[in-house]
Amino acid sequence: DSGVTQTPKHLITATGQRVTLRCSPRSGDLSVYWYQQSLDQGLQFLIQYYNGEERAKGNILERFSAQQFPDLHSELNLSSLELGDSALYFCASSVATGPNYGYTFGSGTRLTVV
Amino acid sequence: AQTVTQSQPEMSVQEAETVTLSCTYDTSENNYYLFWYKQPPSRQMILVIRQEAYKQQNATENRFSVNFQKAAKSFSLKISDSQLGDTAMYFCAFMIHSFGNEKLTFGTGTRLTIIP
Repeated sequence: DSGVTQTPKHLITATGQRVTLRCSPRSGDLSVYWYQQSLDQGLQFLIQYYNGEERAKGNILERFSAQQFPDLHSELNLSSLELGDSALYFCASSVATGPNYGYTFGSGTRLTVV
Repeated sequence: AQTVTQSQPEMSVQEAETVTLSCTYDTSENNYYLFWYKQPPSRQMILVIRQEAYKQQNATENRFSVNFQKAAKSFSLKISDSQLGDTAMYFCAFMIHSFGNEKLTFGTGTRLTIIP
């Protein structure tokens, strides 16, 4: 157990629907990162939050949004889902900004859009 | 933009042998970090080893070591005395040393199989 908790582990939904993925960071970690792993795009950075504020944005679609709450857990919202959104979504956390502290990844949420 | 290239999609090696995974990267930055992550069949992303670009000494973690050639922009991973549990996808990753933007740029991965 890495200490980063992602729920649910698996999610199957239909095209056009909306889902929410949840991430609880490791205790004491202030930064949360979201990544998408798909067969055709590989591992792609989506977005980073630090202590409730958005810090960096990557290749995140407009249909996707995220937030980090006061208790530091984060949610990734995916709407108007398409077949191509099927992927493994990872959350990672670190104690503060700065790569010296390293990342800890969760075990991911497998999203299947049918 | 930074790019990371792993030119070996798949590799296999006998148990107890040594294997080297290749990684090259392209960047105009001078301060950055390089990582190797392991993804076993469980899907968990596990940090194997980390290298700071400003350090000339190659990082080592038990059986894992890197050969960091900054001028050549090369960052290979050597696994000594390979074990069955080393079977996994291995990803090379790059991060600029920039507070407030710590995104990782990953390579496409190398699938390593350790043969009993």
